[in-house]
Amino acid sequence: EVQLVESGGALVQPGRSLRLSCAVSGFTFSGYEMNWVRQAPGKGPEWVAYISTTGNNIYYADSVKGRFTISRDNAKNSLYLQMNSLRVVDTAVYYCAKDKGGGVFDYWGQGTLVTVSS
Amino acid sequence: QLVLTQSPSASASLGASVKLTCTLSSEHSTYAIAWHQQQPEKGPRYLMRVDSDGSHSRGGGIPDRFSGSSSGAERYLTISSLQSEDEADYYCQTWGTGIRVFGGGTKLTVL
Repeated sequence: EVQLVESGGALVQPGRSLRLSCAVSGFTFSGYEMNWVRQAPGKGPEWVAYISTTGNNIYYADSVKGRFTISRDNAKNSLYLQMNSLRVVDTAVYYCAKDKGGGVFDYWGQGTLVTVSS
Repeated sequence: QLVLTQSPSASASLGASVKLTCTLSSEHSTYAIAWHQQQPEKGPRYLMRVDSDGSHSRGGGIPDRFSGSSSGAERYLTISSLQSEDEADYYCQTWGTGIRVFGGGTKLTVL
């Protein structure tokens, strides 16, 4: 059974940092591209970042470019999102999503809540 | 710019069928899309991929009451024999080099 379990969400002040993790099981992690997607309260999903199987190709949404860093550890079957200079507008549930191939997100985690507030 | 447009809401009766629409920006009319369902208070779930030729492939465990089709820049999700648990938000999603995009979603109400 494919499982993606996010962790690391918390209440943080604007300007601070936070690191999210996504532990996966049930598939060969190193063989699949991965993404982070967020969903602000009452809004639709917003793609945040993409990483290729080896980490050699990485893309970000303009809204987080320069502040967020996606990474992965294939030996640990884990995906990460380092979030710096957090803003109130970054408040959202953050999901990791497996890429089936070619851009289709075929499995999602349950999400972890990040709240940025003073 | 790669954009997906969805109607904000739709409704249909229990046991009936409903067809949801996702429209690609005109210059991207040949792109494939994916449909995702999000039930209240839950994370999204992948339903299927829909290609420009109308072919579709469902995700694991998705019943055949859910089907996809295409016409021009429009991609459709048809749900037949509506059940109460189909009441949810439905999002289309597509991709390009270095970008992934979601539509704004359609809230489906089952009457």
